[in-house]
Amino acid sequence: NAGVTQTPKFQVLKTGQSMTLQCAQDMNHEYMSWYRQDPGMGLRLIHYSVGAGITDQGEVPNGYNVSRSTTEDFPLRLLSAAPSQTSVYFCASSDLQGYQETQYFGPGTRLLVL
Amino acid sequence: SQQGEEDPQALSIQEGENATMNCSYKTSINNLQWYRQNSGRGLVHLILIRSNEREKHSGRLRVTLDTSKKSSSLLITASRAADTASYFCATDARGAQKLVFGQGTRLTINP
Repeated sequence: NAGVTQTPKFQVLKTGQSMTLQCAQDMNHEYMSWYRQDPGMGLRLIHYSVGAGITDQGEVPNGYNVSRSTTEDFPLRLLSAAPSQTSVYFCASSDLQGYQETQYFGPGTRLLVL
Repeated sequence: SQQGEEDPQALSIQEGENATMNCSYKTSINNLQWYRQNSGRGLVHLILIRSNEREKHSGRLRVTLDTSKKSSSLLITASRAADTASYFCATDARGAQKLVFGQGTRLTINP
């Protein structure tokens, strides 16, 4: 199993540009989530999904969209990038009871917005 | 606001010593988890303790949970240089389908 994969590893955007961060898992996990990590801020939940076709907002959803058309994929879209979105983004997945159980994290995407 | 808060924010000890990190949270939980993050990498799950458990062990790791004080501690015994990392607690507030992480403790093991 590849586990949780994220692409790209690193991206530079200009303010106002849009992009999609890809996340995929091959463990047939129902629960998937996106976090952002900023220095000294820990991880903050952006959006999460309990299964295909179902998504919900986390702590910091503004400026981000998600969709879950398949169990495997959970892309995160930045609609109009802002410097405040410069961060490291992590995708995670989990089986069984989802949020209550072990989360498997991807390697992260470093995003720089100029 | 953060559900889990780790203390201390940073800890530096000598190799071979024990390291203790604490986590406090605000609302009732189902489970509490601890994760490790090496610099520039994703988080790795260490241990999960359920709300009806008081103590759990995994190798050199010992986790305690005190639901009356809404706090948990992670003890790493006989520390090694490879234990240098950031450690995060994560809690799932009851009624909320999400896992919330604290800000982490940065642990440095000096040889």
